[in-house]
Amino acid sequence: SQQGEEDPQALSIQEGENATMNCSYKTSINNLQWYRQNSGRGLVHLILIRSNEREKHSGRLRVTLDTSKKSSSLLITASRAADTASYFCATGGRAGGFKTIFGAGTRLFVKA
Amino acid sequence: DTEVTQTPKHLVMGMTNKKSLKCEQHMGHRAMYWYKQKAKKPPELMFVYSYEKLSINESVPSRFSPECPNSSLLNLHLHALQPEDSALYLCASSSPGLAGGPGHETQYFGPGTRLLVL
Repeated sequence: SQQGEEDPQALSIQEGENATMNCSYKTSINNLQWYRQNSGRGLVHLILIRSNEREKHSGRLRVTLDTSKKSSSLLITASRAADTASYFCATGGRAGGFKTIFGAGTRLFVKA
Repeated sequence: DTEVTQTPKHLVMGMTNKKSLKCEQHMGHRAMYWYKQKAKKPPELMFVYSYEKLSINESVPSRFSPECPNSSLLNLHLHALQPEDSALYLCASSSPGLAGGPGHETQYFGPGTRLLVL
């Protein structure tokens, strides 16, 4: 079963609006990462938040992590048409090893 | 250089063909990964190499055969594939992790090879 589940599955907003995506996971984690994927391309790492962190910022991105609820959110502020992409959360387990499990992803469409 | 390169970009093969996908990175990363991604789905881990040794094989069929000839290269040999193996194959690499666990750091992905099996 998938470790990370995301909602919404798809999100359509106007340029300039904020976009919020959520991710839930099932087991204990070492860290949680967010990646972006433009259509049919490779994934680009956006931000990593460790299990002992609650919030992290990078430019227009804000990530929160609530380990008690096993959930994370990604906020993109002042969205741009270029932000149109699929966004995936990915978790690495506390048990160690290299296994990274990706959530189902949120497809974001930003209308100009 | 923070780039992972993959060749070829596109590949069409018949079910009786033998082909190979190649991945290369020069970031000094000692963990390399193969993922398979179907349309509108997340990447699914196939194999992980750590220090050139196979660390994880996610019960992948033997028609997929990985190889890590050195610390910069990762190959995926394909033989007798099925049409359902058509997908985007992604390679990634990462540096050894900190005390929190190996490989649990940022993964750098290549652009992928889009494979069509006829």
